[in-house]
Amino acid sequence: SQTIHQWPATLVQPVGSPLSLECTVEGTSNPNLYWYRQAAGRGLQLLFYSVGIGQISSEVPQNLSASRPQDRQFILSSKKLLLSDSGFYLCAWSITDNEQFFGPGTRLTVL
Amino acid sequence: QKEVEQDPGPLSVPEGAIVSLNCTYSNSAFQYFMWYRQYSRKGPELLMYTYSSGNKEDGRFTAQVDKSSKYISLFIRDSQPSDSATYLCAMKDTGFQKLVFGTGTRLLVSP
Repeated sequence: SQTIHQWPATLVQPVGSPLSLECTVEGTSNPNLYWYRQAAGRGLQLLFYSVGIGQISSEVPQNLSASRPQDRQFILSSKKLLLSDSGFYLCAWSITDNEQFFGPGTRLTVL
Repeated sequence: QKEVEQDPGPLSVPEGAIVSLNCTYSNSAFQYFMWYRQYSRKGPELLMYTYSSGNKEDGRFTAQVDKSSKYISLFIRDSQPSDSATYLCAMKDTGFQKLVFGTGTRLLVSP
């Protein structure tokens, strides 16, 4: 069966510091991978998606970036965090382009 | 107008009640419809997935899609305290990567 991991689970970072969140998927090959941000009361916002190694599509212009160095690894990064980057970051995978399956999430607080 | 509208709740019901959760949408091109359950501080879990119009049943859960009214529903029979969570609807067009989410309805089932 497929499983998806995210780490860290919780992160507190100062404004202006760098960020690296990691997501890995097990039990499947060549998945589509997604990064979402969920802010309180605002639903899920798609940030990036990837259909293959090195292929990244950005949905929202911002100071975040994503990379996919391996088939089942997806990384979300920032060089300098802003207060507005605080939120719950979710990684998801899919095979069919329809159903998406989410990881446990990373709660980021920027102070 | 948002593409997907969902009442944020909270919706409070006694244990054993039938729960009806709903979403309306504006994009007639949506073909795939999903319901996710999200417990506090956890990632969303896929509950139901339907294509086009009609009903789909899985245990205590029934998903209903009415494309003519642009309206989808999730019914929960014999609700349990463990059903207390936020329920997110999501939908997408054919062949397009992006899932569009509602903001979620918080459900509270009291013993």
